[in-house]
Amino acid sequence: AQTVTQSQPEMSVQEAETVTLSCTYDTSESDYYLFWYKQPPSRQMILVIRQEAYKQQNATENRFSVNFQKAAKSFSLKISDSQLGDAAMYFCAYRRDRDDKIIFGKGTRLHILP
Amino acid sequence: AAGVIQSPRHLIKEKRETATLKCYPIPRHDTVYWYQQGPGQDPQFLISFYEKMQSDKGSIPDRFSAQQFSDYHSELNMSSLELGDSALYFCASSPRGVNYGYTFGSGTRLTVV
Repeated sequence: AQTVTQSQPEMSVQEAETVTLSCTYDTSESDYYLFWYKQPPSRQMILVIRQEAYKQQNATENRFSVNFQKAAKSFSLKISDSQLGDAAMYFCAYRRDRDDKIIFGKGTRLHILP
Repeated sequence: AAGVIQSPRHLIKEKRETATLKCYPIPRHDTVYWYQQGPGQDPQFLISFYEKMQSDKGSIPDRFSAQQFSDYHSELNMSSLELGDSALYFCASSPRGVNYGYTFGSGTRLTVV
C-alpha cells in the first residue's frame, strides 16, 4: 500500500525567509503523481504544486519549488520569501497513475512569524 | 473562473438522521471525487464517479451512498448518522484523464449532535 509521511507536524519561519517542508512516500509503482496542497484557516484545499514522477526536472511555481528525489522517494517543498498568507496546513499527496484517489500525508502546519 | 460548488456549507444533524450533500463540478469536468476530513485529520478518499458510474471506492461506510447525475453534479447521502461522522466533506472535480491534482470545493461541514 502506498503511504505518505510528513515528519514535521509544525514549523515556523520568519517572514521573507525560506522554509522547506519534508515529505517521503512509499510506493512500488513507477508512474505516479505527487502534489502539495495548502489548507488555510478557510479550510479550502488549494493545489500548490504538482510533479509527475517521470519528469526529472523539479517543478516550480513562483515562490514554491520542490526537490523531487525519486530514488529516495522524497518530495520536499521549498517556499521562498515567505509571506503571512502562506500560513496554513500543507499536505503532501500521492496519486498512482491509474487511480482516482489521492493519498494525503498527515500535514505540516506552517506558521509565519512577522 | 467557476469553481466546485458544494452545498450546504454547514449542516447540523442529530444522531440517526439522514443528510444529503451536493456537489456541482467545474463545467466540463466529468469526474467527481468525495473526501472526508475529520477534525485534525488528513482528507480520506470516499468515492469517485465518472460519467455517472462509480469509478473508484475508498473507505466509505455502508451507511453512505453517492451518485452522479446526467448534469455531472453529485450527491452524497448519509444515513443513520453517528457522532463520528462529524467532519468536513470535500467534493473535487477534474476532466477525465488529466493527470494533475483535481480542484476541491470549499467543503460542507457536517456536525452530528
